[in-house]
Amino acid sequence: QAVLTQPSSLSASPGTSASLTCTVRSGINLDSYTIYWYQQKPGSPPQYLLRYKSDSEKHQGSGVPSRFSGSKDAPANAGILLISGLQSEDEADYYCMMWQKNAWVFGGGTKLTVL
Amino acid sequence: QVQLVQSGAEVKRPGASVKVSCKTSGYSFTGYYIHWVRQAPGQGLEWLGWINPSNGDTNYAQNFQGWVTMTRDTSINTAYMEVTRLKSDDTAMYYCTTLIFWGQGTPVTVSS
Repeated sequence: QAVLTQPSSLSASPGTSASLTCTVRSGINLDSYTIYWYQQKPGSPPQYLLRYKSDSEKHQGSGVPSRFSGSKDAPANAGILLISGLQSEDEADYYCMMWQKNAWVFGGGTKLTVL
Repeated sequence: QVQLVQSGAEVKRPGASVKVSCKTSGYSFTGYYIHWVRQAPGQGLEWLGWINPSNGDTNYAQNFQGWVTMTRDTSINTAYMEVTRLKSDDTAMYYCTTLIFWGQGTPVTVSS
């Protein structure tokens, strides 16, 4: 079982909200970890969006709109990237990342389609 | 502004080595680890390891220990990553990053 699991794709309509999940492997207590989120558009390097551990330990990337926000779903043991007020420019791949056992681990990525 | 500028595209034969550079500016080079991440065509992101530019300490992902080497030159604020014994499945875009700021990527193609 992978450390971080993301759905491969997600579709949502402009103006609505999209909730991207990053499920942490069973047995890993998400409370102790910070989840990083990146956006990647075709032909470009990933762009840092934010990191989230708790409401008191979080960081928003410089210039990243506030409609991008992070949270955790404790019962699901998952990190969440919420994108509100979806715009066509939000169409991209999104990756989560976490430090686990002396290594940075990425989720497989979610392709977000805005249509 | 913070910039990480990587060296250009490389084409190598299987079994060869490649060394990619990452020249930084706009921040204190010794203040932040430099990580290397790769992305095979159409695939996701894979972390290779980090180097602490302050003292040269390194930490490699288990899958890359023994054939990836990360170094740095503090006099020119530049980090390097060398991959040896290249195989066709090492064909990928290689990125340097502070985890916040990213280089533009260096495409490495391994082909006979």
